[in-house]
Amino acid sequence: GAVVSQHPSWVICKSGTSVKIECRSLDFQATTMFWYRQFPKQSLMLMATSNEGSKATYEQGVEKDKFLINHASLTLSTLTVTSAHPEDSSFYICSATPTGQGGHIQYFGAGTRLSVL
Amino acid sequence: GDSVTQMEGPVTLSEEAFLTINCTYTATGYPSLFWYVQYPGEGLQLLLKATKADDKGSNKGFEATYRKETTSFHLEKGSVQVSDSAVYFCALTQGAAGNKLTFGGGTRVLVKP
Repeated sequence: GAVVSQHPSWVICKSGTSVKIECRSLDFQATTMFWYRQFPKQSLMLMATSNEGSKATYEQGVEKDKFLINHASLTLSTLTVTSAHPEDSSFYICSATPTGQGGHIQYFGAGTRLSVL
Repeated sequence: GDSVTQMEGPVTLSEEAFLTINCTYTATGYPSLFWYVQYPGEGLQLLLKATKADDKGSNKGFEATYRKETTSFHLEKGSVQVSDSAVYFCALTQGAAGNKLTFGGGTRVLVKP
């Protein structure tokens, strides 16, 4: 089946540093990928929609300069948390829609837990 | 805007018990409805879906019926197994909103032997 790999699964960093999270579709091409954030015991909140070869579309309230998204190929999107602070600590999840499939089809990565000290 | 509300967990059951997880939604138009499941250490997986009123989605013994009159999409399974222990998310998407999924808060289910 369709597999989405997310790396790293857990990262600890110091306040002020930047962290990059990768999301790869392993056996399919994905024109569109999504980045979510999940707080403890809360739902997934969509942060941005990433389209290959174009700028990401950010949801209201999400700082695009803080959460940099790059979707340079049909199998890879990256999320960079710049100048991370403790309040950025969270669980980040990506998903990918196979090119040509309906919009509701999303395959999810296992998530990345970010802890900012 | 659109929203999804599902019962809070955790829900603890014994093996072979009946499981119900309530889910209601608020949306304009005619959304498609989904249940996703997240097993420990894994990504969310689509469990079942329904795209129009009165449709019943089913998979792995789970069922949910799209009830437009009550704006609900409750998940049920007649006899749970330990392997059903996971977090379950109800979600919706609207055609007008493209690919965007709106999720409920998730319900953790723990099935004990």
